[in-house]
Amino acid sequence: QKEVEQNSGPLSVPEGAIASLNCTYSDRVSQSFFWYRQYSGKSPELIMSIYSNGDKEDGRFTAQLNKASQYVSLLIRDSQPSDSATYLCAVLRRALTFGSGTRLQVQP
Amino acid sequence: NAGVTQTPKFRILKIGQSMTLQCTQDMNHNYMYWYRQDPGMGLKLIYYSVGAGITDKGEVPNGYNVSRSTTEDFPLRLELAAPSQTSVYFCASILGREAFFGQGTRLTVV
Repeated sequence: QKEVEQNSGPLSVPEGAIASLNCTYSDRVSQSFFWYRQYSGKSPELIMSIYSNGDKEDGRFTAQLNKASQYVSLLIRDSQPSDSATYLCAVLRRALTFGSGTRLQVQP
Repeated sequence: NAGVTQTPKFRILKIGQSMTLQCTQDMNHNYMYWYRQDPGMGLKLIYYSVGAGITDKGEVPNGYNVSRSTTEDFPLRLELAAPSQTSVYFCASILGREAFFGQGTRLTVV
């Protein structure tokens, strides 16, 4: 079992829709969780971090964490074509371990 | 990518040559990481450090070495370059809720 698992996609949603990205992790002692966005040929950029169970909202983005189920998700509301990118889930204990990423395509 | 500086941005090496990829951060972050990313693939952890003087191997450490003599600097050393090390290399740093990547080094070994 991989330490951090994501569906590789592509996930295709129409413009204005909600995109839902999911991530599961295997290390129960993981402390912090991050969502990054990576455009082709660019370095990953942090969208948001979450530490506690529940939801955390930042603009159009909502991260959800469920430590009992070892599950973290990212919702993108009112998806825009500029949101088309690969979304990376990362889990921190000492090492910062990434999933393989989910490619999101937002159709105009 | 405020605060994490990687140099060089591009480099071509011949097989068997050595080089050091530099990574510097000015945010006083304790945790620093080196990753490689092959085309169309995810990020693979090479080495990481949780503070000055402390380093640990990641998923793919073979062929690389690191040191962390100061909080700011975390250089990655390739001793005998091989074609399999052709990749994009990223350095990252974290402190609490702050997490940043450098802009990457694109390395080609020929």
